[in-house]
Amino acid sequence: AQKVTQAQTEISVVEKEDVTLDCVYETRDTTYYLFWYKQPPSGELVFLIRRNSFDEQNEISGRYSWNFQKSTSSFNFTITASQVVDSAVYFCALRSNTGNQFYFGTGTSLTVIP
Amino acid sequence: GAGVSQSPRYKVAKRGQDVALRCDPISGHVSLFWYQQALGQGPEFLTYFQNEAQLDKSGLPSDRFFAERPEGSVSTLKIQRTQQEDSAVYLCASSASGVYAANTGELFFGEGSRLTVL
Repeated sequence: AQKVTQAQTEISVVEKEDVTLDCVYETRDTTYYLFWYKQPPSGELVFLIRRNSFDEQNEISGRYSWNFQKSTSSFNFTITASQVVDSAVYFCALRSNTGNQFYFGTGTSLTVIP
Repeated sequence: GAGVSQSPRYKVAKRGQDVALRCDPISGHVSLFWYQQALGQGPEFLTYFQNEAQLDKSGLPSDRFFAERPEGSVSTLKIQRTQQEDSAVYLCASSASGVYAANTGELFFGEGSRLTVL
């Protein structure tokens, strides 16, 4: 079974603080894909990052960075020097290589306080 | 258009009415998904099309829900005899890659259609 767990329901940080959003996934597939999406108040989910299961290299892109650990089935997302515009709901998602469904977590609502 | 377009953005229906929600995906995108998002929850899969073929409808909650994509582009999600539990945001997403693609691409979402059933 495929499952994504985001244990953090809500997080509040003060502007310029760093914040890490946690994601734990479950899958029996050997090849799979992990995603992070951002949902601002307008409602449209915006793609942020995709990671393949066979690529554990972590990456930094501007203020965003990702930590993919297969050993712990985690795919955490960090925003450095947070800004008010980062306030949104963030979803982690999983897709297997043999299926067509994306499985989403329940989301983490991030509020950045000016 | 440049992105995924959904209409109507907001729909209020009386219980028992039929509704139709439209999705215009990104031109040329092979895959089209419908998701249901209840308040405070993540999107839940409803159905998937690859071109005009509906390959997976396992997420449709009942036979009152029906989706089609007759020409492999625009899709319509129809809900018959709406119930209060159908109230949710219905999200459409498209992707350039199909099932079993060697490099699964990301989803591009529309802004959703918010359905309220009174």
